[in-house]
Amino acid sequence: TQLLEQSPQFLSIQEGENLTVYCNSSSVFSSLQWYRQEPGEGPVLLVTVVTGGEVKKLKRLTFQFGDARKDSSLHITAAQPGDTGLYLCAGAGNTPLVFGKGTRLSVIA
Amino acid sequence: DAGITQSPRYKITETGRQVTLMCHQTWSHSYMFWYRQDLGHGLRLIYYSAAADITDKGEVPDGYVVSRSKTENFPLTLESATRSQTSVYFCAGSLGLDQPQHFGDGTRLSIL
Repeated sequence: TQLLEQSPQFLSIQEGENLTVYCNSSSVFSSLQWYRQEPGEGPVLLVTVVTGGEVKKLKRLTFQFGDARKDSSLHITAAQPGDTGLYLCAGAGNTPLVFGKGTRLSVIA
Repeated sequence: DAGITQSPRYKITETGRQVTLMCHQTWSHSYMFWYRQDLGHGLRLIYYSAAADITDKGEVPDGYVVSRSKTENFPLTLESATRSQTSVYFCAGSLGLDQPQHFGDGTRLSIL
């Protein structure tokens, strides 16, 4: 059974701080997707990383796929209250997506 | 462009009752999925479908039934609801098994 472990589970920070969220597995994935979910809504795709070592930037968000394609990280620079939400990673392969349990981020103004 | 539409958004029912959650897509996603989301468990896959009349079990299929007679609809039925099925249910669609998924806004189901 493939598992994705996300850490930390909860994170509460002040506006303007930087943070990193981790997504780890013992399994290799063909790609890894990051989603953000806000209260009362479904998850929304932020980015897909495909190549080992790949780095993608989305404004203040930086996503990295591990060289061995087993792990990924999400770094947020100068967090804002609008970044508040549940961040989910999902590993893709030849089975349905494997989702981590998420990191719940709260950015306080 | 509604994408994935789920109905109802909220539902309260009693144990033992049958309840059906609806999912409709306006896109042409081949794949559709049903998840439940619970604190401490994250998103868990209930059933998925690769095409009309093709369905497969996910991680937690017991107590649920799905059908997909038309590509655009993927209803989820709880044949005899139990309290443990109280949850938020999400429907999603994608172009492939490993492709990004587009989610509906969920149905919050409470079973008393």
